[in-house]
Amino acid sequence: EAQVTQNPRYLITVTGKKLTVTCSQNMNHEYMSWYRQDPGLGLRQIYYSMNVEVTDKGDVPEGYKVSRKEKRNFPLILESPSPNQTSLYFCASSPTWGSGYLAAFFGQGTRLTVV
Amino acid sequence: AQSVSQHNHHVILSEAASLELGCNYSYGGTVNLFWYVQYPGQHLQLLLKYFSGDPLVKGIKGFEAEFIKSKFSFNLRKPSVQWSDTAEYFCAVLNQAGTALIFGKGTTLSVSS
Repeated sequence: EAQVTQNPRYLITVTGKKLTVTCSQNMNHEYMSWYRQDPGLGLRQIYYSMNVEVTDKGDVPEGYKVSRKEKRNFPLILESPSPNQTSLYFCASSPTWGSGYLAAFFGQGTRLTVV
Repeated sequence: AQSVSQHNHHVILSEAASLELGCNYSYGGTVNLFWYVQYPGQHLQLLLKYFSGDPLVKGIKGFEAEFIKSKFSFNLRKPSVQWSDTAEYFCAVLNQAGTALIFGKGTTLSVSS
């Protein structure tokens, strides 16, 4: 089954404790992206990757890091989480990007609470 | 910068009522438009998309949307809603670089049986 898998689904952590949210897709997609969803703000892009070792900032990258060492994986790293990073996070993948963009497949989401 | 506006924050309907959710986008060039649905506790699912051609687009679950270039609009419609349509609906446009979806703030639809 084609899917984007995120882990963990729920996470409560303390301020400053480094964490990683994993994202994996089994569709051999080139493009992957991270969004955060906040009430009344919709979804905003954090980072994206057009292929292995190619990443770039989205609209709200502050406080986040990513890496793309393998095509299927795109982890989101919070080096020193703060309470304003409490949010619902979605990973998305797509076969391609640019004018050939088809649609994004979204993961199930990770609800992160930073206390 | 491109933006998407969804006019209705919360819509409440009875079953069998007709639905229209408004969406306006800011960019005047070639656009790729999407509607996504998010059922409670679930991830976003693509309802329909418009890239070019027929401005009336049909999607899954009986939804359709009409692209009106002169009005910068891409409204979502369904003739008769069901209780199971209760969800949050997001309109989105692909940014000019093709690297990100720009989402509206979403519309919560509540359908009473």
